[in-house]
Amino acid sequence: GAVVSQHPSWVICKSGTSVKIECRSLDFQATTMFWYRQFPKQSLMLMATSNEGSKATYEQGVEKDKFLINHASLTLSTLTVTSAHPEDSSFYICSARERNPGERQPQHFGDGTRLSIL
Amino acid sequence: GQSLEQPSEVTAVEGAIVQINCTYQTSGFYGLSWYQQHDGGAPTFLSYNALDGLEETGRFSSFLSRSDSYGYLLLQELQMKDSASYFCASGNSYKLIFGSGTRLLVRP
Repeated sequence: GAVVSQHPSWVICKSGTSVKIECRSLDFQATTMFWYRQFPKQSLMLMATSNEGSKATYEQGVEKDKFLINHASLTLSTLTVTSAHPEDSSFYICSARERNPGERQPQHFGDGTRLSIL
Repeated sequence: GQSLEQPSEVTAVEGAIVQINCTYQTSGFYGLSWYQQHDGGAPTFLSYNALDGLEETGRFSSFLSRSDSYGYLLLQELQMKDSASYFCASGNSYKLIFGSGTRLLVRP
């Protein structure tokens, strides 16, 4: 149980393109979803937290106009990287919180999306 | 601010035991989790400590001392497939802050 699907797993596109990444909770309702970014050999950095039906909360230093987050339903959140540039190339990972999370595993992670901007 | 510090790299031999430490400074504490991440993959949940003491899950154990702001992950009977990055993370279902990560290399 508690499976999170992330799509696409890999994207290569030209500079200036906008890229949308989807994160779906397959077998549970995710009241909150999180988006992380991870550069090579570095840790996961929380970018933003989104609650279903409300605006996302962005971490300090993350441009909300650059990284658009939509959480329109209890099973889907999307991250759109607008006008992507090579410095946006990274591994983007989503996670989801269940409505009634267990004590042990606070969040469930997707498989990540590797974004490469040429 | 919040920070979780880990050694950057640890090397061990197959079959051995290795301990990965994590010291943290957080405003408010809700528990310490451990995740494994292979290159190119997503983090996989390993263990969680909300209270002081040792939690054992198969070959993996995790320890927490809240008074020392310190925890560790213990991996026993190391296997080659255990070569990966390991992250401690502080927080709960509302927010997780990840540590700097430890790259574990298991040698034959």
